[in-house]
Amino acid sequence: AQSVSQHNHHVILSEAASLELGCNYSYGGTVNLFWYVQYPGQHLQLLLKYFSGDPLVKGIKGFEAEFIKSKFSFNLRKPSVQWSDTAEYFCAVNINTGTASKLTFGTGTRLQVTL
Amino acid sequence: DGGITQSPKYLFRKEGQNVTLSCEQNLNHDAMYWYRQDPGQGLRLIYYSQIVNDFQKGDIAEGYSVSREKKESFPLTVTSAQKNPTAFYLCASSMEGPDYEQYFGPGTRLTVT
Repeated sequence: AQSVSQHNHHVILSEAASLELGCNYSYGGTVNLFWYVQYPGQHLQLLLKYFSGDPLVKGIKGFEAEFIKSKFSFNLRKPSVQWSDTAEYFCAVNINTGTASKLTFGTGTRLQVTL
Repeated sequence: DGGITQSPKYLFRKEGQNVTLSCEQNLNHDAMYWYRQDPGQGLRLIYYSQIVNDFQKGDIAEGYSVSREKKESFPLTVTSAQKNPTAFYLCASSMEGPDYEQYFGPGTRLTVT
């Protein structure tokens, strides 16, 4: 079975600092990759996704992620974080079986941005 | 206003009681999912359904049951057999197939004492 690893469990940054959250998955075949965000008191929502094509994908609120197939990684980046980016971030992987949209999630990274 | 509704937001039960969590969607999605979220463990898939009257076990199905009698509805029953039922439960839905994102509801926090 595939698995997803998020090595940073809790990250604290000052406003304007750059962000990179790691995500690695274990599966050798074709995958679809997602980053979801859970702001305090809000629904889990999609930040960005990668299915195919350009491995550098851009999402909402200035976030981007790069798919590196050789490293089985899909790290999330933002050049300059804001206080409003304080949230929990989840990486998720969907094996492209052609039939189901079954996601495997990482354990999440809690980001705290200080003023 | 399209979306996923889960009710109630908070639910309290005594140990030994079964409890049913509601999930309704008006997005016309074929697939629906139930996840459990625990601190430090991310989201774990309990059950999913790709079509009405059909559902499959996820990674942690023991102690849970579901039904899918209508496209819009996918209720989850937490039975007394679930050893550690206190958790935050999230329902999601998507179009059928691996190339579609999942949309999530607001969640139900279940506390069993």
